[in-house]
Amino acid sequence: AQSVTQPDIHITVSEGASLELRCNYSYGATPYLFWYVQSPGQGLQLLLKYFSGDTLVQGIKGFEAEFKRSQSSFNLRKPSVHWSDAAEYFCAVAINFGNEKLTFGTGTRLTIIP
Amino acid sequence: NAGVTQTPKFQVLKTGQSMTLQCAQDMNHEYMSWYRQDPGMGLRLIHYSVGAGITDQGEVPNGYNVSRSTTEDFPLRLLSAAPSQTSVYFCASSYSGLAGGAAGRTQYFGPGTRLTVL
Repeated sequence: AQSVTQPDIHITVSEGASLELRCNYSYGATPYLFWYVQSPGQGLQLLLKYFSGDTLVQGIKGFEAEFKRSQSSFNLRKPSVHWSDAAEYFCAVAINFGNEKLTFGTGTRLTIIP
Repeated sequence: NAGVTQTPKFQVLKTGQSMTLQCAQDMNHEYMSWYRQDPGMGLRLIHYSVGAGITDQGEVPNGYNVSRSTTEDFPLRLLSAAPSQTSVYFCASSYSGLAGGAAGRTQYFGPGTRLTVL
């Protein structure tokens, strides 16, 4: 079965600093990859997704992620964080195009300091 | 569009009580699912449905029942609540199979129901 690892439980960055959140997956083939964000007390919102093609994908709110097959990774990045980016971030995978079942990582909580 | 709606937002139950968490979507999505979110464990799939009349188990189905009589609604039933079911529950929906192409592969999540079982 596929699995997703987010090795960082909690990350603190200064406002204006760059951000990278790590995500590694375990699956024999290339899965379909997603990043979701959850603001406090809210549901999940899709930031971006990768299905095929260009390995650098752009998302909403200035986020991007790069798929690296050799490292089984799909790290999320933002060049300059804003206080409003404080939230919990989840990486997720689906194993094929018709399989909507998502397997989620355990999440990374992002704190922004002034 | 209201998107995915869930009721109630909060619920407190006593052990052994039953209740139904409601989920509805107005996007004509075939696929609907229920997840539970627990600290340090991410979201785990409870049950899912690929269309009216079709349901299947996810990763953690024990203690929960579902049915899907319409495209719009996908209720989750707890027949005899246990403290281990204290969690935040999220409903999600999307197009199913190849419908909607790559753009359709987005799952839309409801705002969640926070359930406490005493």
